[in-house]
Amino acid sequence: GAVVSQHPSWVICKSGTSVKIECRSLDFQATTMFWYRQFPKQSLMLMATSNEGSKATYEQGVEKDKFLINHASLTLSTLTVTSAHPEDSSFYICSARDSQLAGTTQYFGPGTRLLVL
Amino acid sequence: KQEVTQIPAALSVPEGENLVLNCSFTDSAIYNLQWFRQDPGKGLTSLLLIQSSQREQTSGRLNASLDKSSGRSTLYIAASQPGDSATYLCAVTGNQFYFGTGTSLTVIP
Repeated sequence: GAVVSQHPSWVICKSGTSVKIECRSLDFQATTMFWYRQFPKQSLMLMATSNEGSKATYEQGVEKDKFLINHASLTLSTLTVTSAHPEDSSFYICSARDSQLAGTTQYFGPGTRLLVL
Repeated sequence: KQEVTQIPAALSVPEGENLVLNCSFTDSAIYNLQWFRQDPGKGLTSLLLIQSSQREQTSGRLNASLDKSSGRSTLYIAASQPGDSATYLCAVTGNQFYFGTGTSLTVIP
């Protein structure tokens, strides 16, 4: 079945530093990937839609200059949290849509837990 | 904007009980509805996917139903086991995924 990986699975950083999270589709090509954020005891909230070769589409309230998304290939999207602060601590999950399949099925990665001290 | 609500927010049952989790959504114009399981600190595991034209899907002890016109779905878990303890999320797909608030299930041995 379709597999999506994320790296790293865990990251702890100091306030003010930048953190990059990778999302890879391992056995399929993904023109479109999605980034979600999940705060404790809350559901997943879509942050942005990442499109290969073009700019990401951000949801309302998500700062595009703070959460930089790059989707340079059909199997890799990266999310960079710039100048991270403690309030950015969260669980970040990506998902990917198989370019070869019709429909809206998304395959989810295992998530990356970010802790900003 | 689509809003997805799950009731109850938390549920604790003794092992062996059958249980029902509820999901409701405000906009019936959906492509499909999906139920996920999330273990603490982990990602999502897809359980069942119901296309908008379908009424239900079954997988083992799980059965999910969909009533698009009333904006409701239920996830039925038969003969619950301690290993079923997790948070269950429903998500509807329109232009994007809209996730529900989740139901935290604890099955007591």
